Amino acid sequence: SAVISQKPSRDICQRGTSLTIQCQVDSQVTMMFWYRQQPGQSLTLIATANQGSEATYESGFVIDKFPISRPNLTFSTLTVSNMSPEDSSIYLCSVEALQGLSGYGYTFGSGTRLTVV
Amino acid sequence: SQQGEEDPQALSIQEGENATMNCSYKTSINNLQWYRQNSGRGLVHLILIRSNEREKHSGRLRVTLDTSKKSSSLLITASRAADTASYFCATDMDSSYKLIFGSGTRLLVRP
Repeated sequence: SAVISQKPSRDICQRGTSLTIQCQVDSQVTMMFWYRQQPGQSLTLIATANQGSEATYESGFVIDKFPISRPNLTFSTLTVSNMSPEDSSIYLCSVEALQGLSGYGYTFGSGTRLTVV
Repeated sequence: SQQGEEDPQALSIQEGENATMNCSYKTSINNLQWYRQNSGRGLVHLILIRSNEREKHSGRLRVTLDTSKKSSSLLITASRAADTASYFCATDMDSSYKLIFGSGTRLLVRP
């Protein structure tokens, strides 16, 4: 199954600044997914990133706030721009991958815990 | 937006007991998956059940799916303290490959 390296694991940022989160996959994948998990909540899909095209954003998320890059088939970045305390969340990237004997599922990065002060 | 709800929101059991979590969803699906999350970290894939399957087993895990009721359950047998985590169901609704997550169940297994 795929292995994802996600950085940073956590950060504390000042409001008004931006943070870029990176995900590196050990194999080539067509689609990468970015999720947000607000404190004590479930995961919400932010956008789907395809290599060579603009990311597709879900309702409530816009490119100006969450610009995404996908320069190749193994790497993607998500930027959280002009941060406010409401952006404090865990951000996770994900790819579809073979899950051993379980068949296909989704592999997640270890998450970036962002605190905006 | 969330596809559905899970219940209970929180569950506390003694080690060795069985834990059952339920998931309901709203629209037709291709498959339903269960994930575990330890302490707000990355999610780990547990099991996938396709829309034409009714039951699936993997080790101490048993998953059922009732598409007529749009519901699924996850049973963890002979629970261990290491099973303490949050468990999420997630549905793959169509060919978009997007996962929509349920609200999650926080499981505490007391030693």
